Amino acid sequence: GENVEQHPSTLSVQEGDSAVIKCTYSDSASNYFPWYKQELGKGPQLIIDIRSNVGEKKDQRIAVTLNKTAKHFSLHITETQPEDSAVYFCAASRGGSYIPTFGRGTSLIVHP
Amino acid sequence: SAVISQKPSRDICQRGTSLTIQCQVDSQVTMMFWYRQQPGQSLTLIATANQGSEATYESGFVIDKFPISRPNLTFSTLTVSNMSPEDSSIYLCSVWGGETQYFGPGTRLLVL
Repeated sequence: GENVEQHPSTLSVQEGDSAVIKCTYSDSASNYFPWYKQELGKGPQLIIDIRSNVGEKKDQRIAVTLNKTAKHFSLHITETQPEDSAVYFCAASRGGSYIPTFGRGTSLIVHP
Repeated sequence: SAVISQKPSRDICQRGTSLTIQCQVDSQVTMMFWYRQQPGQSLTLIATANQGSEATYESGFVIDKFPISRPNLTFSTLTVSNMSPEDSSIYLCSVWGGETQYFGPGTRLLVL
């Protein structure tokens, strides 16, 4: 089955800095890669996703890149703000009815 | 999108008792799931709740411990039976809506 590794487990940055979270996956057939943000006391919320037919996707301060050859994908957050503080999960799946496999999560702390 | 509500939002229970968690979705969905998230850990899939038939459990989870009901396409329950402190966790309901996975706010369970 799929195996997703996520690094780092904790990331501490100053407000305004950029943050990068990296994930690798094992199943070469995976083609859908969502990212979730989980704030304290809440369930995970989808913030951005990417499919294997593109290498990069942006949404305001958030971007995700995908390298299918190396089987890794990354989340980039620019101009971080204290409200970006949360746990971020990456996931990978074959799409369709295949249930995503989640990484272990990254706790992002943005210091004002 | 899909809006998911869960009841209760949190509970403190005595060991040996059982707790039933309810999940309600604002639209009909085919695929509904239950996850467990232990403190500081990732999302572990417990089972897929199938409408009109028995749930499909992942390795390490059994029906006697986590019975699931799915009477229709908008509602499901998960029971945590004969609880022990090791069952203290966040339990999350999740659905596939279109091509995106959505999560409920979670039920925070503490077993004493």
